[in-house]
Amino acid sequence: ETGVTQTPRHLVMGMTNKKSLKCEQHLGHNAMYWYKQSAKKPLELMFVYNFKEQTENNSVPSRFSPECPNSSHLFLHLHTLQPEDSALYLCASSQDLTGAGDTQYFGPGTRLTVL
Amino acid sequence: GIQVEQSPPDLILQEGANSTLRCNFSDSVNNLQWFHQNPWGQLINLFYIPSGTKQNGRLSATTVATERYSLLYISSSQTTDSGVYFCAVGPNFGNEKLTFGTGTRLTIIP
Repeated sequence: ETGVTQTPRHLVMGMTNKKSLKCEQHLGHNAMYWYKQSAKKPLELMFVYNFKEQTENNSVPSRFSPECPNSSHLFLHLHTLQPEDSALYLCASSQDLTGAGDTQYFGPGTRLTVL
Repeated sequence: GIQVEQSPPDLILQEGANSTLRCNFSDSVNNLQWFHQNPWGQLINLFYIPSGTKQNGRLSATTVATERYSLLYISSSQTTDSGVYFCAVGPNFGNEKLTFGTGTRLTIIP
């Protein structure tokens, strides 16, 4: 138990569906992150939020839309995805932005399959 | 951007054996973390170690920042140590990104 929860744990969706991934951290952290982990590839940073403000969008396609209503919650809204978007999506949080030397804590991930 | 290489990519060991995992990085860092990802996908932070040596039970890590590498030591391996071990680094200057290596997949055989 890392203090970061993600729902759902598994998601299967068609290319025309709209779904959302949810992340919640119970650690009192200020920074939250979305990562994508595809088979045989390193973790790819997608988005970074600090105090609810987006500070990084790592050239992510617009079919992925993040939302951070407060420092404890982070969403990833999905629409018109492609089969190559199938991956494990991981949420993480840290006290402050990691460049300052903070440890990141990860949620268990959502395993997404796009048919 | 900063490059992170981990070796070996795969390692299969008998229970009770010791192992050393290596992480090389291409630039100065102010953040280096080792993570273990279990077979269900959960990433657990093992060490925050931009320099020096730390130990936690059977695990220890050493980072030689001037030579741009870090080592993770696992002693008396157990089957629960199986999974993928990632090194992630943050540069000395610029942004807040952690760059992850491709990992070492460790399999411990009973």
